[in-house]
Amino acid sequence: DIQMTQSPSSLSASVGDSVTITCRTSQNIYKYLNWYQQKPGKAPKLLIYGASNLESGVSSRFSGSGSGTEFTLTITSLQPDDFATYYCQQSYSAPAGFGRGTNLEIK
Amino acid sequence: QVQLVQSGAEVKKPGASVRVSCEASGSTFSDYYIHWVRQAPGQGLEWMGIINPTGNSTYYAQKFQGRLVVTRDTSTRTVYMTLSTLRSDDTAVYFCARDRGRGSESYLIFDYWGQGTLVTVSS
Repeated sequence: DIQMTQSPSSLSASVGDSVTITCRTSQNIYKYLNWYQQKPGKAPKLLIYGASNLESGVSSRFSGSGSGTEFTLTITSLQPDDFATYYCQQSYSAPAGFGRGTNLEIK
Repeated sequence: QVQLVQSGAEVKKPGASVRVSCEASGSTFSDYYIHWVRQAPGQGLEWMGIINPTGNSTYYAQKFQGRLVVTRDTSTRTVYMTLSTLRSDDTAVYFCARDRGRGSESYLIFDYWGQGTLVTVSS
């Protein structure tokens, strides 16, 4: 199985800041990497697929980059609604593993 | 608008089985793969398994093999997840999720999710 290492596990930032979350995989997954946002008590929401493709309806303040084994999710100009937990997920091969999540909190 | 609506919360005793349903609306149900993902309290997401559009093929994470069965009824647009021999560490919210891929190909990208079903395992 492909191992996912996501960092940091938690992050404090202020409204208006930019933040970056990193996801590393144990083997080359090309661009088969997706990012989700989850708020307490809710289902995850797809933000980015294929490493850098913005899901329809998602703010352009979210962007993804990377390939191979290292990927990043960047959120610019943080808004109050962005404070949530973010997960990376590989879609290269089953089983579809997730990172352990990054809890983005308001400073 | 695509919607996946799951059945309600369950409380089960250790050793029992639980069946959670996931009913789809708003899309061509029979074209899509459906996944099950779970989340223990305060923990991350864990992929469990997948069923193909016609319901004749499934794939389960090794951790759940022998305990997990996923089926689908195309006539009622419903997918079922049955987990047996429940343990306390199976207490979690269980989500169904639609795969972005259609037809014969699963993309392993989850674009629509059910609201989640809390399963509590307690004696």
